[in-house]
Amino acid sequence: GAVVSQHPSWVICKSGTSVKIECRSLDFQATTMFWYRQFPKQSLMLMATSNEGSKATYEQGVEKDKFLINHASLTLSTLTVTSAHPEDSSFYICSASAGWNQPQHFGDGTRLSIL
Amino acid sequence: KQEVTQIPAALSVPEGENLVLNCSFTDSAIYNLQWFRQDPGKGLTSLLLIQSSQREQTSGRLNASLDKSSGRSTLYIAASQPGDSATYLCAVNTGAGSYQLTFGKGTKLSVIP
Repeated sequence: GAVVSQHPSWVICKSGTSVKIECRSLDFQATTMFWYRQFPKQSLMLMATSNEGSKATYEQGVEKDKFLINHASLTLSTLTVTSAHPEDSSFYICSASAGWNQPQHFGDGTRLSIL
Repeated sequence: KQEVTQIPAALSVPEGENLVLNCSFTDSAIYNLQWFRQDPGKGLTSLLLIQSSQREQTSGRLNASLDKSSGRSTLYIAASQPGDSATYLCAVNTGAGSYQLTFGKGTKLSVIP
C-alpha cells in the first residue's frame, strides 16, 4: 500500500529555534500534500495544502511566515516552524494524495515540544 | 461550513462483539468520505474510502456505509478484537477540485479481552 514517511517523529528544542519536518511519499507520486496539527483529544486541523511546484494554500488563522511549507518534488514536502515558541508545541501530521478524489495517506506524525 | 460529528466519543466492548460507529456531516454535498484509524501518538491509517456515488465499502471485518442525503455514515466492525482498540476518525471531502478533508473528533474504541 501507499507509504508516507514523516521525520523526525519527536523533537524537543528550545524556544526561538526553527524546526524542519519532512514528509515523503515512498512509493507513489503525491500531487498534493497536506499539513495538519492535532491537539490532545482533538481532531486534526488542516493547516495548509501544498501542490508540487506552487505556493502552499494556508487555512485561515495559520501564519504563513511562521509555518513555511515547501513542496519541491512529487515525493517531498517540508514544514518549517520558524522561531518556535511553547504554544507551537503540538502533534504535526502530514498526508499525501496521488490525485483528485484519491485517498490521503498519512505519515506517523511529529511530536514537537518547545521548552 | 462543513461540520463532522462522531458519536459516541468513546466506546468499550467485550471481545467478539459486533459494533457500529457513527459519523454525521452537515453538508451533504460531499465527494467522498474516509474512515481512519489512529493509534496513540501515531498518524492515521486509512481504512475505507467511499465515493459519493457509493453506498458502502467492505474490507475484511470492516464495512462502511454512506447515506449522503441524510448526512450519515457508519463503520461496522464485526467480531471485534483487542487489536481493534484505537481512535476511529471519519473525514469528508467537500472540495470541488480540492482534496481537503474535514475531520470529526473521533470515537475511542476499547475492546476488552
